Amino acid sequence: TQLLEQSPQFLSIQEGENLTVYCNSSSVFSSLQWYRQEPGEGPVLLVTVVTGGEVKKLKRLTFQFGDARKDSSLHITAAQPGDTGLYLCAVPNAGKSTFGDGTTLTVKP
Amino acid sequence: DAGVIQSPRHEVTEMGQEVTLRCKPISGHDYLFWYRQTMMRGLELLIYFNNNVPIDDSGMPEDRFSAKMPNASFSTLKIQPSEPRDSAVYFCASRSPTSGGETGELFFGEGSRLTVL
Repeated sequence: TQLLEQSPQFLSIQEGENLTVYCNSSSVFSSLQWYRQEPGEGPVLLVTVVTGGEVKKLKRLTFQFGDARKDSSLHITAAQPGDTGLYLCAVPNAGKSTFGDGTTLTVKP
Repeated sequence: DAGVIQSPRHEVTEMGQEVTLRCKPISGHDYLFWYRQTMMRGLELLIYFNNNVPIDDSGMPEDRFSAKMPNASFSTLKIQPSEPRDSAVYFCASRSPTSGGETGELFFGEGSRLTVL
């Protein structure tokens, strides 16, 4: 059983559309991170959320941590081709980080 | 500032050959992680070190895999003998001890893409 379930697995949209991707678990976490990975590169941290119900904004990206700290969502407004990539959520797990399988986002011009 | 440096970027080898992947973490980071990424299994942790000491190697697939960290600025991941199912992108990442403890940011290298024929 996966610790983190991400959905959808793949998402292809047109430039200018809005989208939301999800990261869910049955476990409670002290914090949760979102990373973005572009083709041929390693993942890069976007945000860390630590408080239940917390909302953080990074330009057109809005991250929310669930009230019960079991899930999180990432909403992108007016997606651009530069947003294309693999979006991974990750949680601390005994000193290490465990990653979900990710959502592959393609934004077409 | 230099990030995490991995080499080689690409490696193509034949089944049965030894493969050595190298990593130089960010200076001052005392945690080093080796991950493997495949389409089927996603990003999975193989092993991690703290202050050059292996802490958790439960993700290492089998005895063909070994990792060392002889000093704070260098780590290797070795596969001997290699098999086609080892084909993947191998990432090294490092983390600072002062960046929030368990919520610290992982800094990844660009990865080593391994193809075993």
